[in-house]
This record gives sequence, C-alpha cells and structure tokens, in this order.
Amino acid sequence: GAVVSQHPSRVICKSGTSVKIECRSLDFQATTMFWYRQFPKQSLMLMATSNEGSKATYEQGVEKDKFLINHASLTLSTLTVTSAHPEDSSFYICSAYRSGGANEQFFGPGTRLTVL
Amino acid sequence: AQSVAQPEDQVNVAEGNPLTVKCTYSVSGNPYLFWYVQYPNRGLQFLLKYITGDNLVKGSYGFEAEFNKSQTSFHLKKPSALVSDSALYFCAVRVPYGNNRLAFGKGNQVVVIP
Repeated sequence: GAVVSQHPSRVICKSGTSVKIECRSLDFQATTMFWYRQFPKQSLMLMATSNEGSKATYEQGVEKDKFLINHASLTLSTLTVTSAHPEDSSFYICSAYRSGGANEQFFGPGTRLTVL
Repeated sequence: AQSVAQPEDQVNVAEGNPLTVKCTYSVSGNPYLFWYVQYPNRGLQFLLKYITGDNLVKGSYGFEAEFNKSQTSFHLKKPSALVSDSALYFCAVRVPYGNNRLAFGKGNQVVVIP
C-alpha cells in the first residue's frame, strides 16, 4: 500500500512555542490531506481538510489561527500549532487521500505532542 | 450528516474464539464503509471496505465484515482471534461524491486473552 510519513514522531515543547508537523505522501500525489487529533483511547477528531494550492477547510470549533495548515505541494502538508499550551498536548494524525484502489485514505504514524 | 456508532467500549475474547466488533451507521445515500485497526502510538491501518457488490467483504489479517443494509450495520468479524489482534478498532463511513471525509466511530478496544 501507499506510504504516508509524519515528522516528527514525538515532540516536547515549552508553552508558548510553535511546533510544525509534516505529513508526506511518499509514493503518490495527494490533492487532499486530512488532519486529525486523537485523545487517549478516543476516536479521531477531524480538525481540517488540507487542499493542495488552496486554503484548508476547518471543522467547527477548530481555531484556524491556532492550527495553521499549509499544503504547498501534492506530497506535503504541514500543521503548525502556534503558541502551544498544555491543552494542545495530543496525538496528531494525518491522512492522505488517493482515489481508486481498495483503500482511499492512507494514515501517517502520528505525532505525539507534549506541551510543558 | 453521517455518523457511526460502535456500541461497545471493550471486547474481550479468548484466543481461538470468534471475534465480532459491532458497527452501525447513519448516512443519507449509499455509504462507503471502512474498518481500521490502530496499535498503540501508531496511525491507522486499513483492514477492509465496502462500496458495492457482495455484502460479505474480506480484508487483511483474516478479517471480514458483513454489510447489512436493513440493519444499517457493518460488523467486523474474525473466525479465530489471535493475541496479536489486541488493538483499537475503528469503523468509519464516507458519503460518496462528497469531500472524501471520513466519520469515525469512537473505537473499540479488543483484548484477546491467551
């Protein structure tokens, strides 16, 4: 299957700093990528849909100025958590959409963010 | 809007016994249904999906799922569970011709007891 990578896999930062998470589709082009947030033992909450070359579409209740998304190329989307606070600590997962085939969305391995 | 319900929090099963993880959905139009598995601190791995055709769908690692339109269900099954099947399982639904978004159920923790 297709491969999606995320970097970093784990990050610890101080409150008030910004953190950038990269999501890359390694062997296919993805016009659409999705960013999810997952709390321990809970489901994935869709934060935003990232579209290559256009603005991201944010879900209700997600602050677009807090969670900046850039989809600058067909293989890369980035999520920047600005001025991070401890309540932003979570597991962030991206997925990349590829049309056709048995599977459609390929998920990255996730990034564990801890804000001190 | 589409939604998915996974009524149980945790499913415990003895190794070698059949495993069933329940999922019901609510969506207007014909649904695309998915099952994913997640191991600790990992992303989601695709198991199988239903779009059209045979109601019984076979997927990875010996899993299968049966689409039941009248009951709006898509239960995941495995005839003989392995200890390595212990993980978090998510059911998801997508409405075709939409924006390819998935709506996930809350997930079921499966514990296979040796």
